[in-house]
Amino acid sequence: NAGVMQNPRHLVRRRGQEARLRCSPMKGHSHVYWYRQLPEEGLKFMVYLQKENIIDESGMPKERFSAEFPKEGPSILRIQQVVRGDSAAYFCASSSSDRDNSPLHFGNGTRLTVT
Amino acid sequence: GDSVTQMEGPVTLSEEAFLTINCTYTATGYPSLFWYVQYPGEGLQLLLKATKADDKGSNKGFEATYRKETTSFHLEKGSVQVSDSAVYFCALRTDGNKLVFGAGTILRVKS
Repeated sequence: NAGVMQNPRHLVRRRGQEARLRCSPMKGHSHVYWYRQLPEEGLKFMVYLQKENIIDESGMPKERFSAEFPKEGPSILRIQQVVRGDSAAYFCASSSSDRDNSPLHFGNGTRLTVT
Repeated sequence: GDSVTQMEGPVTLSEEAFLTINCTYTATGYPSLFWYVQYPGEGLQLLLKATKADDKGSNKGFEATYRKETTSFHLEKGSVQVSDSAVYFCALRTDGNKLVFGAGTILRVKS
């Protein structure tokens, strides 16, 4: 049973470039969440998606960041024109439902470094 | 809004000591409560959960009881090991919503 798969594991981008982070949820899971973790800090919610729909994007910066979860294929978190402050670990999680007792299962994250 | 408050770390213990990491929460609904653990360089792993008042979650010697009257979900372990060194996150979730995390508590266990 494959868990949540994220790639790449490490990503280095120069300032101004674009970063694309991919997440394949666990089999049978249709709810995907993205979180960001800055060094020595906790996890901050970014966005919650179901297939083809954004349910909650209250944690997403208003500019440069976007997310999608198409009918086919992985969820993508896209960061345009990256800046040094975007350097962080980005974690994807999935769940089988939106019920409160349904835990989130996390991937191992993508560590983005902006030089 | 919903929030989780954890005791600040780092918590440093000797092997076989008793562990308590405090966690309290604020929620508008009736949340489920979770503890997650993060080892260096890895993602978060679900450690245990409790879905209603007075439930006790347990796993790998760790326990936490859902206390509605004190809005708490403290994590305990009777005898810690060096391999328990990690960051521990308390979290809550209400229906239809995301998981809300506390800031995390670093645990260091010395042999």
